[in-house]
Amino acid sequence: KQEVTQIPAALSVPEGENLVLNCSFTDSAIYNLQWFRQDPGKGLTSLLLIQSSQREQTSGRLNASLDKSSGRSTLYIAASQPGDSATYLCAVLGTYKYIFGTGTRLKVLA
Amino acid sequence: GAGVSQSPSNKVTEKGKDVELRCDPISGHTALYWYRQSLGQGLEFLIYFQGNSAPDKSGLPSDRFSAERTGGSVSTLTIQRTQQEDSAVYLCASSSLTGGQDEQYFGPGTRLTVT
Repeated sequence: KQEVTQIPAALSVPEGENLVLNCSFTDSAIYNLQWFRQDPGKGLTSLLLIQSSQREQTSGRLNASLDKSSGRSTLYIAASQPGDSATYLCAVLGTYKYIFGTGTRLKVLA
Repeated sequence: GAGVSQSPSNKVTEKGKDVELRCDPISGHTALYWYRQSLGQGLEFLIYFQGNSAPDKSGLPSDRFSAERTGGSVSTLTIQRTQQEDSAVYLCASSSLTGGQDEQYFGPGTRLTVT
């Protein structure tokens, strides 16, 4: 049974710092891994999608890597801003359904 | 183009009442999924539709929950005799490929509160 773990559960950093969020999963048989952002009381915003054959994806200040064999992904956020404050979820796609991690709650202090 | 839409965005209901939640997937998407996000439980899979059939209903938490999809498009999730533990955000997603290997696009969710 696939299990997805995210570390840390919560993170508070001053503005401008570079930071890394971690996601690990137990079953490497995945089709893709996706990072989402969720603001309080809102739905999911897709940030980056990495197909199983890819090693990383980049979008602006965000970079996500995938090491399928070791069951790990990292989301790197450069030069963090207060607007980055949100909960970040990673999810792995196995056979048709996503399994989500419990998220990292990020707060970037001005 | 239009994304996945869900209605209502918020629903408050009394314990014991039935509720229906609606999902309109992206036009042309054959696969549709329901997930639930509750406090302390994270985001969990409920049911998957391929066309109008549901190959996997394993995530439905009890027989009070049912879902249907008609015309390969709109889906309705029905909760009968609601309980307080049903309070959650219900998210719908759709994808284009059969077999569900494609990226899923999520709707904004319906926040259900059972009083």
